[in-house]
Amino acid sequence: DTGVSQDPRHKITKRGQNVTFRCDPISEHNRLYWYRQTLGQGPEFLTYFQNEAQLEKSRLLSDRFSAERPKGSFSTLEIQRTEQGDSAMYLCASSPLDGSSYNEQFFGPGTRLTVL
Amino acid sequence: AQSVTQLGSHVSVSEGALVLLRCNYSSSVPPYLFWYVQYPNQGLQLLLKYTSAATLVKGINGFEAEFKKSETSFHLTKPSAHMSDAAEYFCAATGGTSYGKLTFGQGTILTVHP
Repeated sequence: DTGVSQDPRHKITKRGQNVTFRCDPISEHNRLYWYRQTLGQGPEFLTYFQNEAQLEKSRLLSDRFSAERPKGSFSTLEIQRTEQGDSAMYLCASSPLDGSSYNEQFFGPGTRLTVL
Repeated sequence: AQSVTQLGSHVSVSEGALVLLRCNYSSSVPPYLFWYVQYPNQGLQLLLKYTSAATLVKGINGFEAEFKKSETSFHLTKPSAHMSDAAEYFCAATGGTSYGKLTFGQGTILTVHP
């Protein structure tokens, strides 16, 4: 397995446009997380999936953001009507469902979004 | 609610010198603690984790960290810095949820001089 992959790696868009990012987790991992990282800050939690169910959403995830994980495999994160403040690195992570809360999360390389 | 604070956004050391990156946490429940490293244009890689077993945790690449409950700290150390250690380091905590949502510190950029 090659780890968590994310596509695209970079996205430049104009303000007001919609963008969609994809994350492919490690194949046997049931848990999938999205984080956002702005310059000079640590990643901030956005949302969590267990299989196909979205079990938690951060207050950072405004109604312009939507995430899905159909069939419990890959996940997409869509941002509608992008704003300059959405410019950030969007990180995806996955981990196995083993009954613990401290299992290692494996991170993808991230998608860097620039909104002009 | 949890919070993680990393003291010093930039740390600079000479090659061969001791590396010390500081992390303090606040948590209403016993935390699980992690150190991740991020190289440019790459994702986060786990260095080590504390999960309430041994308080001194050894990780990859010669790094280790000690959990001190009385000081609410989890500082990362390495006896001798190598040029390849130059990267950004993040301390993170989880606990209080069943699924391991991570709360990160703001990161420390480590520079290693020859």
